[in-house]
Amino acid sequence: GAVVSQHPSRVICKSGTSVKIECRSLDFQATTMFWYRQFPKQSLMLMATSNEGSKATYEQGVEKDKFLINHASLTLSTLTVTSAHPEDSSFYICSASIQGSSYEQYFGPGTRLTVT
Amino acid sequence: GDSVTQMEGPVTLSEEAFLTINCTYTATGYPSLFWYVQYPGEGLQLLLKATKADDKGSNKGFEATYRKETTSFHLEKGSVQVSDSAVYFCALTPAGGTSYGKLTFGQGTILTVHP
Repeated sequence: GAVVSQHPSRVICKSGTSVKIECRSLDFQATTMFWYRQFPKQSLMLMATSNEGSKATYEQGVEKDKFLINHASLTLSTLTVTSAHPEDSSFYICSASIQGSSYEQYFGPGTRLTVT
Repeated sequence: GDSVTQMEGPVTLSEEAFLTINCTYTATGYPSLFWYVQYPGEGLQLLLKATKADDKGSNKGFEATYRKETTSFHLEKGSVQVSDSAVYFCALTPAGGTSYGKLTFGQGTILTVHP
């Protein structure tokens, strides 16, 4: 149980284009989803917290207009990287928490984004 | 703000060796503490957790004890296996407040176990 999927697992795009990453909770309802960014050999950095039906809460220093988050349902959240640049290349990971257990998160396998 | 510091890796051990990965934290109050493991090509998985001082989390032969006096949550295993090779992350979430539920991670420690 408590499986989270991400799609795509790997994407390459050109500078200036936009890329959408999906995060789905497959067997549970996730009231809250989190989006992280992981640089090589570094820790996960929380980008934003996404609650179903409301606007995402972004961490300090994260551009909300660049990283658009939509939590349309209790099983789906999307992260859109708009006007991507090479410095946006990274590993993006989502997690979801089960309603009533907000401190326990279940992680997706991550999406490797490369911007050329 | 809250922070987590892990011992730097990578750590390389022979099978059946004893493992310790140090983790210390800075936070107010009594945060909940976690160890996550990331196997190659997979997402992070919760390995164990402790939610109050002196609690011991354990799973799959791994243990960690919540030490408030030393603000530590060191991960140990008595006899590692090749299949334990992974990246291990120490993390915390505050006891309450607006950041409740948000995880702060350490930098991760790569463990490689050789046969």
